[in-house]
Amino acid sequence: GAVVSQHPSRVICKSGTSVKIECRSLDFQATTMFWYRQFPKQSLMLMATSNEGSKATYEQGVEKDKFLINHASLTLSTLTVTSAHPEDSSFYICSAREGMGQPQHFGDGTRLSIL
Amino acid sequence: QKEVEQNSGPLSVPEGAIASLNCTYSDRGSQSFFWYRQYSGKSPELIMFIYSNGDKEDGRFTAQLNKASQYVSLLIRDSQPSDSATYLCAVNPPYSSASKIIFGSGTRLSIRP
Repeated sequence: GAVVSQHPSRVICKSGTSVKIECRSLDFQATTMFWYRQFPKQSLMLMATSNEGSKATYEQGVEKDKFLINHASLTLSTLTVTSAHPEDSSFYICSAREGMGQPQHFGDGTRLSIL
Repeated sequence: QKEVEQNSGPLSVPEGAIASLNCTYSDRGSQSFFWYRQYSGKSPELIMFIYSNGDKEDGRFTAQLNKASQYVSLLIRDSQPSDSATYLCAVNPPYSSASKIIFGSGTRLSIRP
């Protein structure tokens, strides 16, 4: 149980393109979903927390207009990287949690490469 | 002081031995504790969670929690080369506004054949 599906797994695109990443909880309802970014050999960095039906809470230093998050249902959250540039190239990982105090379950991640 | 602290390693353990990973946390009222394993280039995967003081066993893994001393540990028995990974400790802080768990920076574990 507790499966989180994240798509696509890999994206390669030109600078200036907007990229949408989907995160779905397949067998549970996720009241909260989280978006992380991880650079090679570095720690997970939380970008934002989203609760179903409300605006995402962004961590300090993360541009909300650059990284658009939508959590329209209890099983789906999306992250859109708008007008992506090479410095946005990274490993983006979502996670989902059923309730407060419950474990977070991670998707497989999306490797984004901007040329 | 970091909220969740782990030794970055690498921790090198011979195959078949017990690997012991430790984590300390700063918020005394924390209630939920998690261990994740992350292979290089992959996303974290949940191994164990523990809420009460004492030990919790699952196969070769044992999580130990001591709230008085504010530490949580993970023991891996009969270590295998496939256990080589980064292990992340995570804690759910007690403050009511918290909706996120706090991750340590991870300990790299290397099992040598």
